[in-house]
Amino acid sequence: EPEVTQTPSHQVTQMGQEVILRCVPISNHLYFYWYRQILGQKVEFLVSFYNNEISEKSEIFDDQFSVERPDGSNFTLKIRSTKLEDSAMYFCASRDYEQYFGPGTRLTVT
Amino acid sequence: ILNVEQSPQSLHVQEGDSTNFTCSFPSSNFYALHWYRWETAKSPEALFVMTLNGDEKKKGRISATLNTKEGYSYLYIKGSQPEDSATYLCAPIGTGFQKLVFGTGTRLLVSP
Repeated sequence: EPEVTQTPSHQVTQMGQEVILRCVPISNHLYFYWYRQILGQKVEFLVSFYNNEISEKSEIFDDQFSVERPDGSNFTLKIRSTKLEDSAMYFCASRDYEQYFGPGTRLTVT
Repeated sequence: ILNVEQSPQSLHVQEGDSTNFTCSFPSSNFYALHWYRWETAKSPEALFVMTLNGDEKKKGRISATLNTKEGYSYLYIKGSQPEDSATYLCAPIGTGFQKLVFGTGTRLLVSP
């Protein structure tokens, strides 16, 4: 069964460093999403992506964040200068009728 | 859609008990409602997508109902098993590019 994959499963980085989280969505899906969950809080929407551009983004998704689909299969989330409060689980999802989630990347900013 | 509430926050039942949870959401600008089952360290697993008022869906021992006019959905588990232990998330979708707005989830623990 097709599935969304994410790498790495866990990333530790120092404050101020850039990180790139990678996702491979299900191949025939056209809509892509990033969500995150800070420990103990709700899963929050970050951004949706369709037709090679951002279709919607939340207030969380400020200038420090960017997304790309560089090669038609990968879908990446970049955080330019990480802050302590960026520590969270980051989930990628892709959609046909339902949204299918990847297993997440745990980002720890120290 | 912003305000999504789920209750109870957590539930501990014995194997064989039947249980149900509630998801409440604003009924305006409603497009669809998703239920997900999320086990620790795994991807959230889609259970149901519901769109119409009065919808009822069933998958094995799990079923769900939807009331879009009053803004709630119920998830039922009949004869709970330990493997049902997980967090159950609901996420209504408004129109647009269908971002999911998640509730806080109901954490279910089923003891043998």
